[in-house]
Amino acid sequence: DTEVTQTPKHLVMGMTNKKSLKCEQHMGHRAMYWYKQKAKKPPELMFVYSYEKLSINESVPSRFSPECPNSSLLNLHLHALQPEDSALYLCASSQGLGTVPVNTEAFFGQGTRLTVV
Amino acid sequence: DAKTTQPPSMDCAEGRAANLPCNHSTISGNEYVYWYRQIHSQGPQYIIHGLKNNETNEMASLIITEDRKSSTLILPHATLRDTAVYYCIVRALSSGSARQLTFGSGTQLTVLP
Repeated sequence: DTEVTQTPKHLVMGMTNKKSLKCEQHMGHRAMYWYKQKAKKPPELMFVYSYEKLSINESVPSRFSPECPNSSLLNLHLHALQPEDSALYLCASSQGLGTVPVNTEAFFGQGTRLTVV
Repeated sequence: DAKTTQPPSMDCAEGRAANLPCNHSTISGNEYVYWYRQIHSQGPQYIIHGLKNNETNEMASLIITEDRKSSTLILPHATLRDTAVYYCIVRALSSGSARQLTFGSGTQLTVLP
């Protein structure tokens, strides 16, 4: 199974709502990532989790709150978002943490298309 | 991680080889060259990676120059389904920690019928 599953595929939320994006993988990967992608732009890194601990936060506003409850799951909690936060949110996972040989490719989910109204 | 430069767009006739160039003149000795592609509205997909030797898999070939300052991704027989944005990424590997992918602007490849 080389899939990263993201739910929901589409989400429309108001600026006062609280919602969560979910990401799941069963490849035994110990690194998981959240990216944000605006239209016609490349993906931009938001967060990196390594062994279920947050290792990189790219100065993301606190209205985005990541959570890694176990090695297979990654959540992104959303609260009080702005319309400019509307984007495709991508989750990815990879191995490549001290293993030999190093399997380094990242697997991406299909993303959640978020619209903030 | 080293910066990459790619042409913003390219066209290729269906059935012909698509050659996508990438410049990475500041690449370090421990940095690999990775290629990903993103078909419209989908997540990025890994294609291939290499360090200094040429690499080939079922999807593509990767040719890296001897000085490692540039590389070319080759899709040998392009199909309409290969229309996508292709990203060349240079990335160091380190054990014991996650290494994120940093995407540049990429090349929009359009395969024409």
